[in-house]
Amino acid sequence: QITLKESGPTLVKPTQTLTLTCTFSGFSLSTSAVGVGWIRQPPGKALEWLALIRWDDAKRYSPSLKSRLTITKDTSKNQVVLTMTNMDPVDTATYYCAHSGHLQTSNWYFDLWGRGTLVTVSS
Amino acid sequence: QSVLTQPPSASGTPGQRVTISCSGSSSNIGRNTVNWYQQLPGTAPKLLIHSNNQGPSGVPGRFSGSRSGTSASLAISGVQSEDEADYYCGTWDDSLNAYVFGTGTKVTVL
Repeated sequence: QITLKESGPTLVKPTQTLTLTCTFSGFSLSTSAVGVGWIRQPPGKALEWLALIRWDDAKRYSPSLKSRLTITKDTSKNQVVLTMTNMDPVDTATYYCAHSGHLQTSNWYFDLWGRGTLVTVSS
Repeated sequence: QSVLTQPPSASGTPGQRVTISCSGSSSNIGRNTVNWYQQLPGTAPKLLIHSNNQGPSGVPGRFSGSRSGTSASLAISGVQSEDEADYYCGTWDDSLNAYVFGTGTKVTVL
């Protein structure tokens, strides 16, 4: 059974760096075609994809946020970490991590999601 | 702003057929398969349809998907009260090199 859980601060100040951890079980990030992504959702708004890390350590970022994002994995700990620099109140959102097991081609999708963690940016 | 456009809302009475459209372009829906996610109130999104028209195990058969050209559709045949949720389409965009989600559609069962 695959599970994912997000953890990190619930409140950050403007200009600070956010660090979120996705701890997962039921799969290995060293298995071919597997990846973990991050998606966020501001209150009352649509989903926005942020980043993805693949089994081969390849990384993909949202073009609009690329300069602020870093995604890494620790295969031994079953964790994926996302850092976002220079946080702003508009970054207030629920942040989700999600699993994909179909990264052989560009026809992939997120098949299992964590519950999400709400991050508020305020001074 | 999203590159995939959905109507903000859709509705139907119990048992009716409800359809949701997702309009994209040649760099996303025109080249890659479309996926649909259901987000029940206060919960995380859940994969509903993948690869244009494939339902994961456990998804009721009343949900179906299709793709034609640069557009896709989700249909709920015989909508039920428990289907009240937000629905999002999603796919990879070859030009943006990004995964893109639709603007989202709120389904209301009258």
